[in-house]
Amino acid sequence: DAEITQSPRHKITETGRQVTLACHQTWNHNNMFWYRQDLGHGLRLIHYSYGVQDTNKGEVSDGYSVSRSNTEDLPLTLESAASSQTSVYFCASSRGQASTGELFFGEGSRLTVL
Amino acid sequence: TQLLEQSPQFLSIQEGENLTVYCNSSSVFSSLQWYRQEPGEGPVLLVTVVTGGEVKKLKRLTFQFGDARKDSSLHITAAQPGDTGLYLCAGGQYGGSQGNLIFGKGTKLSVKP
Repeated sequence: DAEITQSPRHKITETGRQVTLACHQTWNHNNMFWYRQDLGHGLRLIHYSYGVQDTNKGEVSDGYSVSRSNTEDLPLTLESAASSQTSVYFCASSRGQASTGELFFGEGSRLTVL
Repeated sequence: TQLLEQSPQFLSIQEGENLTVYCNSSSVFSSLQWYRQEPGEGPVLLVTVVTGGEVKKLKRLTFQFGDARKDSSLHITAAQPGDTGLYLCAGGQYGGSQGNLIFGKGTKLSVKP
């Protein structure tokens, strides 16, 4: 069955370190998204991609970057982790437009920055 | 900035009771989606409504999109413990890119046996 997987599921890091969260989907979806979920804020969009070599900033993109070298993967990099980036991160993909189609979410990556 | 307000934030009820969750905005949306999220997992789509006034039913769940496309409701009849979870509404923005799906903060539902 097609799926979307995130790794690692849990990570603890220190302030200032670079961290990369992996996201891999086997649906062959063109559209991929990264969200963070925090108490009191819900799901907020960090970056998204419509296809290979395409990346776009979302609502809360400062301090994050993504790259799309193939259809299956959209890794999220925190260049210099900050305590404010402690959160649960969700990757998602969709075949068509997210607003009228379906977002398929991964199980999440819980990141703690000490 | 478009916002989606969900109410109530928390809801704890007994098995068999009925409940309604609301999703409201001052903005007009092209579509409205409802997701359910269980602890330790990602959200899963329940339904998408795209037409003002549209009503969709999914077993004991009834979803309605407001006539003006600014609000939506989720009604659960005879709630069961398996309905426990975080319910999220998400609005599609007119003229926005595919990335512009705005999520509400969620309603955490607990159904006690």
